[in-house]
Amino acid sequence: AQTVTQSQPEMSVQEAETVTLSCTYDTSESDYYLFWYKQPPSRQMILVIRQEAYKQQNATENRFSVNFQKAAKSFSLKISDSQLGDAAMYFCAYIRGGSNYKLTFGKGTLLTVNP
Amino acid sequence: DAGVIQSPRHEVTEMGQEVTLRCKPISGHDYLFWYRQTMMRGLELLIYFNNNVPIDDSGMPEDRFSAKMPNASFSTLKIQPSEPRDSAVYFCASSRRGGQGQPQHFGDGTRLSIL
Repeated sequence: AQTVTQSQPEMSVQEAETVTLSCTYDTSESDYYLFWYKQPPSRQMILVIRQEAYKQQNATENRFSVNFQKAAKSFSLKISDSQLGDAAMYFCAYIRGGSNYKLTFGKGTLLTVNP
Repeated sequence: DAGVIQSPRHEVTEMGQEVTLRCKPISGHDYLFWYRQTMMRGLELLIYFNNNVPIDDSGMPEDRFSAKMPNASFSTLKIQPSEPRDSAVYFCASSRRGGQGQPQHFGDGTRLSIL
């Protein structure tokens, strides 16, 4: 079974600084997708960024970017110029290609942004 | 466009009562997912539908849980009888066809408390 591990239960960053959240996953598949979701205190799950395993180029979305290391099975999220609104729980998630649509989530990392 | 709509947002009921959670997916989305979020187990997929047909219900914890999707714009998750350990946040999500790379869009969740 696929597993997703987020080794940092909590992280903190100063406003305007950069922070990196770690995620590793275990799979024997070659075709899969990886996601980062953000869950602020409002509880809503918001997609932050998506990465296709077959793409070597790291995905970016404005201040958010990933470092995807396929051989190492690592998928970290970098938040640049951190803002107070970035404070949330961040979840890394994996889904394999093929016919099954099961999205597997990590346990999450709680990010605090200090003013 | 309207997002995934869930109701109620909060539900508090007594043990043994029937609970029905409702979800309206994003129009045009072919896939609908029900998740449960708890502190102990994180986010777990309970069941998902494709074109109103249940595809994988292996995450449904017990026979007390049932889910239906009578049409493309409505789904229910029912617990009967409810127990205190069912207390959790239940999310509905939907995605369009096009493979597992299509992101899942989440509703705001229903916080369920069983007393």
